Amino acid sequence: GAVVSQHPSWVICKSGTSVKIECRSLDFQATTMFWYRQFPKQSLMLMATSNEGSKATYEQGVEKDKFLINHASLTLSTLTVTSAHPEDSSFYICSAWTPGVNEQFFGPGTRLTVL
Amino acid sequence: QQQVKQSPQSLIVQKGGISIINCAYENTAFDYFPWYQQFPGKGPALLIAIRPDVSEKKEGRFTISFNKSAKQFSLHIMDSQPGDSATYFCAPQIGYQKVTFGTGTKLQVIP
Repeated sequence: GAVVSQHPSWVICKSGTSVKIECRSLDFQATTMFWYRQFPKQSLMLMATSNEGSKATYEQGVEKDKFLINHASLTLSTLTVTSAHPEDSSFYICSAWTPGVNEQFFGPGTRLTVL
Repeated sequence: QQQVKQSPQSLIVQKGGISIINCAYENTAFDYFPWYQQFPGKGPALLIAIRPDVSEKKEGRFTISFNKSAKQFSLHIMDSQPGDSATYFCAPQIGYQKVTFGTGTKLQVIP
């Protein structure tokens, strides 16, 4: 149980284009979903927290107009990187939480490469 | 600033040996102390976790030791295997929301 999937697993795009990454909780309803970014050989940094049906809460230094997060249902959250640039190339990981547990359940990650 | 520091940054252990990774934190509000394992190109997976009212927890080959007064906790991997080669993160949290990942430790277990 508690499986989280991400799609796509990797994506390459041109600079200036937008990319959408999906995060799904497959076997449970996720009240809250989180988006993290991980640069090579570095730790995971929380970008934003989203509750179903509400606006996302962004961490300090994360541009909310650049990283659009939608959490329209209890099983799906999307992260759209708008006007992507090479410096946005990173590993994006989502996690999901459901009431009654302490842990967040992490997805397998999406590798974004912006050329 | 980095609130959660791990040591060592990297570790090489022979098969069958004991791997020990330490985590030091500053925020006394943390109330749950997990360790995650991450393989290259994959998301992190929960390995083992401990609550602050317990000083030690063991699950199979993995043990967490927790020292509340020193604000430190450690991961011990007994009988380390090549399949344990991965990056390990401590990730103390406040409730379920505020997870702060440590700096990471890359473990390599050699045959």
